[in-house]
Amino acid sequence: EDKVVQSPLSLVVHEGDTVTLNCSYEVTNFRSLLWYKQEKKAPTFLFMLTSSGIEKKSGRLSSILDKKELFSILNITATQTGDSAVYLCAVEASGAGSYQLTFGKGTKLSVIP
Amino acid sequence: GAGVSQSPRYKVAKRGQDVALRCDPISGHVSLFWYQQALGQGPEFLTYFQNEAQLDKSGLPSDRFFAERPEGSVSTLKIQRTQQEDSAVYLCASKPGGGYGYTFGSGTRLTVV
Repeated sequence: EDKVVQSPLSLVVHEGDTVTLNCSYEVTNFRSLLWYKQEKKAPTFLFMLTSSGIEKKSGRLSSILDKKELFSILNITATQTGDSAVYLCAVEASGAGSYQLTFGKGTKLSVIP
Repeated sequence: GAGVSQSPRYKVAKRGQDVALRCDPISGHVSLFWYQQALGQGPEFLTYFQNEAQLDKSGLPSDRFFAERPEGSVSTLKIQRTQQEDSAVYLCASKPGGGYGYTFGSGTRLTVV
């Protein structure tokens, strides 16, 4: 059974801090790893990683994938209160004509002024 | 449409009542997915359609859950004889055929009382 584990489950930091969120996985027929930000209901897309060792960057957020060790990290530098959200890691697998995203439980990030 | 649209946004059902949740995916997206997200948890896979064909329904928790996409665009998730444990946010996502990008709708929050 495919499995995605995120840590920590929750985190409280002050504005300006840097945070690292972790995601490890065990998936058959790995296709991609995705990070989402969920503030209310709809998860909004942050990054998709398919290749090991290549950092994806968008402003203060960056992410990298290690396919050998089966994990990914999401870094947020100079955190702001608007970064407060649940960050979801999901791994896409393919097989038998089907695609499936398996999500972790998420990391709840709270940024306090 | 510009995004994935779900309706209703909120639904309160009495235990034992049948409900129908609608998803209108991005125009032209071949693949459509339903996920169930319980409070404090990551989304869990329910079912997957490629056009009108339901290729994977392994995540449907019981035979009270039924999904259809008869014309390969709009999809309906039906839950019969709702129970309290069905209370959750139901998310729909779509993506282009063979593509990588999943777009999620805002979800329907179902509360069974």
